[in-house]
Amino acid sequence: SSELTQDPAVSVALGQTVRITCQGDSLRSYYASWYQQKPGQAPVLVIYGKNNRPSGIPDRFSGSSSGNTASLTITGAQAEDEADYYCNSRDSSGNHGVFGTGTKVTVL
Amino acid sequence: QVQLQESGPGLVKPSGTLSLTCAVSGGSISSSNWWSWIRQPPGKGLEWIGEIYHSGSTNYNPSLKSRVTISVDKSKNQFSLKLSSVTAADTAVYYCAITTPYYYYYYMDVWGKGTTVTVSS
Repeated sequence: SSELTQDPAVSVALGQTVRITCQGDSLRSYYASWYQQKPGQAPVLVIYGKNNRPSGIPDRFSGSSSGNTASLTITGAQAEDEADYYCNSRDSSGNHGVFGTGTKVTVL
Repeated sequence: QVQLQESGPGLVKPSGTLSLTCAVSGGSISSSNWWSWIRQPPGKGLEWIGEIYHSGSTNYNPSLKSRVTISVDKSKNQFSLKLSSVTAADTAVYYCAITTPYYYYYYMDVWGKGTTVTVSS
């Protein structure tokens, strides 16, 4: 299967921790990358590989993976973290990219 | 810092062909990356369209493969997307991005700002 499934929406209190998950068979073979997208803006890479953050991404963002599930954790969520988050990986053949269904994170 | 800029018509007629170009600045399209297209219909999620390597090797989304062509122009340091037989369902913001491959993961670390394409008569 080439599908990546995410919960549609999650909410988190300011300063608390939230975990966003991404499930798919191909995640047993490939790590996911994670993207933050705010309204009217292009997606921004926040996590890639086992748990790598691009320059400029706060260390409150972290990634992990187990079996067919990848996770993005925001520890100490800030108001500016309110956004849509998408996972991305390859399908099992490695020849095609695939995005998750997306999770809307609301910071209360 | 490599930058990407999409360009092309913002309005395409149904059954016509959507054509977009992504100009690469601050780097070479002959680098060891895949050059990708992604789209996002209004209010919906991201959809991977396809990618091209500077050698001309391509990968396409199986659901769009029959209608998609991605090409590269090394002389102009740019790559292009053509999507034929468009319908209203192809209305979306189209992004180009750099996909970096690394063993067991790929990531898109540079994105264009996106360009809106509407399919309408």
